[in-house]
Amino acid sequence: SQQGEEDPQALSIQEGENATMNCSYKTSINNLQWYRQNSGRGLVHLILIRSNEREKHSGRLRVTLDTSKKSSSLLITASRAADTASYFCATVQQAGTALIFGKGTTLSVSS
Amino acid sequence: NAGVTQTPKFQVLKTGQSMTLQCAQDMNHEYMSWYRQDPGMGLRLIHYSVGAGITDQGEVPNGYNVSRSTTEDFPLRLLSAAPSQTSVYFCASRLAGGWGTGELFFGEGSRLTVL
Repeated sequence: SQQGEEDPQALSIQEGENATMNCSYKTSINNLQWYRQNSGRGLVHLILIRSNEREKHSGRLRVTLDTSKKSSSLLITASRAADTASYFCATVQQAGTALIFGKGTTLSVSS
Repeated sequence: NAGVTQTPKFQVLKTGQSMTLQCAQDMNHEYMSWYRQDPGMGLRLIHYSVGAGITDQGEVPNGYNVSRSTTEDFPLRLLSAAPSQTSVYFCASRLAGGWGTGELFFGEGSRLTVL
């Protein structure tokens, strides 16, 4: 079964607004990663947060991790139409090697 | 700078036919993996490899075979295709690592239809 579950499944916002996506997972992890997928393309890595980190920033992206709640959030600030894509969280379980993905959140940003 | 290259990009098979999806990377990555992506299901791991000669099963390995004879190549074989294997297949690679395993680099996908 899949490790991570993103919420919401779909999100529609206007340009300039912030977009928040959440990810919950089931078992203890080494790290959690977020990926982006444009329609018809492969996935692209956005950011990695380790299990001993609580928050990480990269440009307009902010990721938080709460290991006690087994959850993470991805915040995209000042969204642009070009941010329209699907976003996936993925985890590496403790003592594991493989990266397991959730089902993704589809973000639509309209201008 | 090719990264991860998948071939073919599109393929149509009949039930029972066999085929191989090719994956090659030029980044000297030890770890390689295959995922399938279906609508509403996200990405599911099929098989992965942590180095030449070493492979392991993922979440959905049935109906697929892999081998890893070189660091660069990780082909995925469908021995007898079934309609349930209609999907988009992604190959991905990364450097091997321990605790802080790093980002995966993905190919552009292979779109397979089994009639």
